Amino acid sequence: AQSVAQPEDQVNVAEGNPLTVKCTYSVSGNPYLFWYVQYPNRGLQFLLKYITGDNLVKGSYGFEAEFNKSQTSFHLKKPSALVSDSALYFCAVRDMNSGYSTLTFGKGTMLLVSP
Amino acid sequence: EAQVTQNPRYLITVTGKKLTVTCSQNMNHEYMSWYRQDPGLGLRQIYYSMNVEVTDKGDVPEGYKVSRKEKRNFPLILESPSPNQTSLYFCASTSGYNEQFFGPGTRLTVL
Repeated sequence: AQSVAQPEDQVNVAEGNPLTVKCTYSVSGNPYLFWYVQYPNRGLQFLLKYITGDNLVKGSYGFEAEFNKSQTSFHLKKPSALVSDSALYFCAVRDMNSGYSTLTFGKGTMLLVSP
Repeated sequence: EAQVTQNPRYLITVTGKKLTVTCSQNMNHEYMSWYRQDPGLGLRQIYYSMNVEVTDKGDVPEGYKVSRKEKRNFPLILESPSPNQTSLYFCASTSGYNEQFFGPGTRLTVL
């Protein structure tokens, strides 16, 4: 079975500082990895994905994520946080060998960026 | 504009009164899915459909039904809602192994 862990319920960072939101995964095969963001009273918006290729993936709004196969991690990063980045962030994984059926989400990490 | 739409956005109902939440996408995606979001539990998949007339259970299917008679529509049916189905529901669609597009959500309260 595949799973995703987001070990922090909440991450606090000051505006202008770098941010990291952690994600580790478990799949039997090779992973497809995704990050989504949810603003209050909104649906989920896609940020970035790792399918194959470069381990450093760049996405929307200046976010990036680093795929680390040996540590089974896919941490989300941004060099300089903005107050407007405050939102709920979800990591998700799909096993390449499982077909369309299963996209498993983590429980989410609330990011709070203070002015 | 490419989008997934859901209706209604908000619904308050009573135990046992059948309801349907509609979902429609205009991107010709084969794959559609329903999730529920609960605090501390993240998103959990209820049902998914790989194409017309092809549906399968996700992680939490009990108390729900779906149908996929047309490619663009994937309604979620609660035949006898109960209070533990009070939640925020999202429909999503995708093509291939790409990212999923999510609808705006339906907040359901069952009294």
